[in-house]
Amino acid sequence: DTEVTQTPKHLVMGMTNKKSLKCEQHMGHRAMYWYKQKAKKPPELMFVYSYEKLSINESVPSRFSPECPNSSLLNLHLHALQPEDSALYLCASSRLTGHYGYTFGSGTRLTVV
Amino acid sequence: ELKVEQNPLFLSMQEGKNYTIYCNYSTTSDRLYWYRQDPGKSLESLFVLLSNGAVKQEGRLMASLDTKARLSTLHITAAVHDLSATYFCAVGDEAGGSEKLVFGKGMKLTVNP
Repeated sequence: DTEVTQTPKHLVMGMTNKKSLKCEQHMGHRAMYWYKQKAKKPPELMFVYSYEKLSINESVPSRFSPECPNSSLLNLHLHALQPEDSALYLCASSRLTGHYGYTFGSGTRLTVV
Repeated sequence: ELKVEQNPLFLSMQEGKNYTIYCNYSTTSDRLYWYRQDPGKSLESLFVLLSNGAVKQEGRLMASLDTKARLSTLHITAAVHDLSATYFCAVGDEAGGSEKLVFGKGMKLTVNP
C-alpha cells in the first residue's frame, strides 16, 4: 500500500458545526502532516507529527485541532470555522530516516458557509 | 526563514518547444522536491533531489540540483499539451527535530497545440 487516504473528499459545513477530517497511511511512515492550500496558492504547513507527537504547529488557530491516535491515522478536528478557512486540506506522510520524499493524499475540499 | 522562489510563475509555450524553469532558495538545504498539480487535484511527486549535482529524468522532464548555488532547474523537452499543470518546487527545512516542506509559489504551465 503506497497511498495516503483522506476522507471525506468534499465537505460543506456551517460556521457552528463540528467536523473532522481523516487521513490514513499504511506505509510505516512515522511523520504525518497537514497542509492547507487556498486557490491558486502553494500549500502551507499547518501541523507536523513525528512518532505520533506534535512536533510543529505553525501558529494555527485553535479552531483547528489535530490528533494522531496511532502511527497510521491523523485527524483534523474542525470547530467554529470561518468562511476564509475554505480550502483544500492535504495530508502527507514521510519516513523520518533515509528520507525519500513525501506522499500526499488526494485532499479534502472544505467549504465553510 | 527559508524562502523559495520560482521563476517564471506563468509560462505559455508551444508544443515541441523546450524550456527551463528555475527554483531558488535562501538557506542551506540538500532536499529539493518537484511536484505537479492539476486543477482541483492533489500534489503528484515528480522528483526528489537529495544531493548536490543530482539529476533525474522522467519522460520529457529533467530536474537538477546545485546546492552551492541553492538552485534547482526543471527542464522541459519537446513539450506536449499533457504537461499543462502547475509545478511546485519545495525545499526541506529542518525545524524542531522535524522536517517541513516550504513551497515556492508554483509555475502555471500552459502548452498550446
